[in-house]
Amino acid sequence: SYKLTQPPSVSVSPGQTATITCSGEKLGDKYACWYRQKAGQSPVLVIYQDNMRPSWIPERFSGSNSGNTATLTISATQAMDEADYYCQAWDSTTAEFGGGTKLTVL
Amino acid sequence: EVQLVESGGSLVQRGGSLRLSCAASGFSFITYGSSWVRQAPGKGLEWLSYISRDSGTIYYADSVKGRFTISRDNAKNSVDLQMNSLRDEDTAVYYCVRTGYSHGYLYFDYWGQGTLVTVSS
Repeated sequence: SYKLTQPPSVSVSPGQTATITCSGEKLGDKYACWYRQKAGQSPVLVIYQDNMRPSWIPERFSGSNSGNTATLTISATQAMDEADYYCQAWDSTTAEFGGGTKLTVL
Repeated sequence: EVQLVESGGSLVQRGGSLRLSCAASGFSFITYGSSWVRQAPGKGLEWLSYISRDSGTIYYADSVKGRFTISRDNAKNSVDLQMNSLRDEDTAVYYCVRTGYSHGYLYFDYWGQGTLVTVSS
């Protein structure tokens, strides 16, 4: 089955830029999505179709996808951005999620 | 406001069956597909199944194929997940997810609050 790999954790200082990667074979040939899940809450769509933001997500969030890696970038990171982030892509008729990355803002 | 409200989660014996339901409101249900995604305690997200808006396309993860069945009732704005032959590893929070479609591509844009299924002997 298709596998998406994320770093287990990323740390960033407030106001700095956080980068979370997601690796998969020829991931750039697929569309990648990102989801944010805060503690005790349901996941929320953050990025879809590689770099599109839903209306409820601020411009500080951006995405890219090329080669074998999709990237979620959070600019001017705030304490409220602390959460688990999951990448996701479709491999034919199967949706795959990455293992998740815990973003710590400290 | 888009709302997805799951119900039906409970404690069930290993090998038993359970039916989850999801009531949708706040949007035109018939114009979106639906999916189920689960999350085991302390673990990541696992997609289980997708059903298109007209029930004409259905996908399953290998882990539940042959045991779980997804269905929807557009007249009632609801989607169900029938789960049979439940195993310990099916213990998880189950999310109902609205599934959008753009440029031949599906994405999970709204999630319910989840319902807990616990499988125990």
